[in-house]
Amino acid sequence: GENVEQHPSTLSVQEGDSAVIKCTYSDSASNYFPWYKQELGKGPQLIIDIRSNVGEKKDQRIAVTLNKTAKHFSLHITETQPEDSAVYFCAASNGNNDMRFGAGTRLTVKP
Amino acid sequence: EAGVTQSPTHLIKTRGQQATLRCSPISGHTSVYWYQQALGLGLQFLLWYDEGEERNRGNFPPRFSGRQFPNYSSELNVNALELEDSALYLCASSLGPASNQPQHFGDGTRLSIL
Repeated sequence: GENVEQHPSTLSVQEGDSAVIKCTYSDSASNYFPWYKQELGKGPQLIIDIRSNVGEKKDQRIAVTLNKTAKHFSLHITETQPEDSAVYFCAASNGNNDMRFGAGTRLTVKP
Repeated sequence: EAGVTQSPTHLIKTRGQQATLRCSPISGHTSVYWYQQALGLGLQFLLWYDEGEERNRGNFPPRFSGRQFPNYSSELNVNALELEDSALYLCASSLGPASNQPQHFGDGTRLSIL
């Protein structure tokens, strides 16, 4: 089955800097890759997603890139703000709605 | 538009008891998913329901079961509770069974086993 690895597990940046989180997946049939942000005491919130027919997608300060050949995808957050501090999860789905999640990255943005 | 709602927020049980967790999906969503999130860990897929039918199941024992009602709300039942069942149980919903519909999560039920 699908296996998703996520790095780093923790990331600390200064406000205004960029943050990058990377994920790799194992199932070449995976074709949908969402990213979620989870704040303390809340459920995961979908922040951006990408499908396998697209290499990059951008939404304001957030962008996701996908390299199907290498089976990895990344989340890029520019101009980070303290409110970006949260746990971020990547996920991969192979079309059977069987979503596999990475272990999460705790992002801390220092003011 | 109301999001996914889960109840109760917290549930405390003892070993061997049974727990029932409830989920109401976003209006118009027919698919409901259940995930387990143990402390400090990622999300593990439990169950997927659509149109009242179980469509897929994760690698969990049969004492984890559920159902979906005609109004698309869902229940997760956990029998013979064990200490390691202590976790945050998250419900998500999506528009339908078509592959790779975005899933939207509720805030979860924290289940604690004493």
